[in-house]
Amino acid sequence: QVQLVQSGAEVKKPGASVKVSCTASGYMFSSYGISWVRQAPGQGLEWMGLISGYNGNTHYAEKLQGRLTMTTDTATRTAYMELRSLRSDDTAVYYCARKGLNTFDYWGQGTLVTVSS
Amino acid sequence: DIQMTQSPSSLSASVGDRVTITCRASQGISNSLAWYQQKPGKAPKLLLYAASRLESGVPSRFSGSGSGTDYSLTISNLQPEDFAAYYCQQYYSAPFTFGQGTKLEIK
Repeated sequence: QVQLVQSGAEVKKPGASVKVSCTASGYMFSSYGISWVRQAPGQGLEWMGLISGYNGNTHYAEKLQGRLTMTTDTATRTAYMELRSLRSDDTAVYYCARKGLNTFDYWGQGTLVTVSS
Repeated sequence: DIQMTQSPSSLSASVGDRVTITCRASQGISNSLAWYQQKPGKAPKLLLYAASRLESGVPSRFSGSGSGTDYSLTISNLQPEDFAAYYCQQYYSAPFTFGQGTKLEIK
């Protein structure tokens, strides 16, 4: 069965970077993209960006351009999301989700990133 | 960017009721609309895609309709497990924006 398993919770200081991983199983990794979505405490869902599992092409949300990098390692079937220059308003649960022909059909369990001095 | 306006932001209903949540896109999205359910502390779960197509395993009391810019999610015969937050999302063009969400609470 399709599974996306994310790395564990992180606590970071303002200005630091965080890198979250998302390891896929149960499907052909290169046939689907991976999107990252975040949710601040008590807030709605915010789409961050998308990376192709086929060729690594990326598309980032404009507000995160310059601070966000998404990568994949096809050998380990893992996608990574790195966010730099962290601020307190980056505190959120970060989700990876599989993007197929339609929309996001499988999601990781979420990774809480807390930014605090 | 395409803006998604979802309403209402919250809704109270009873078990057995029928409720409808609406979502309006700032431009036509050609039925490229999905609905998700999210329970506290859990990842969102895909309910419907292509505006009206039910994801495998989702109960038939969930239905979707709409076209152009206006879409809706209807839940018939509400069950206790349906009380959750619901989000629409357009996937017509990136950025793949979400609606603000609707919190469905027990009356």
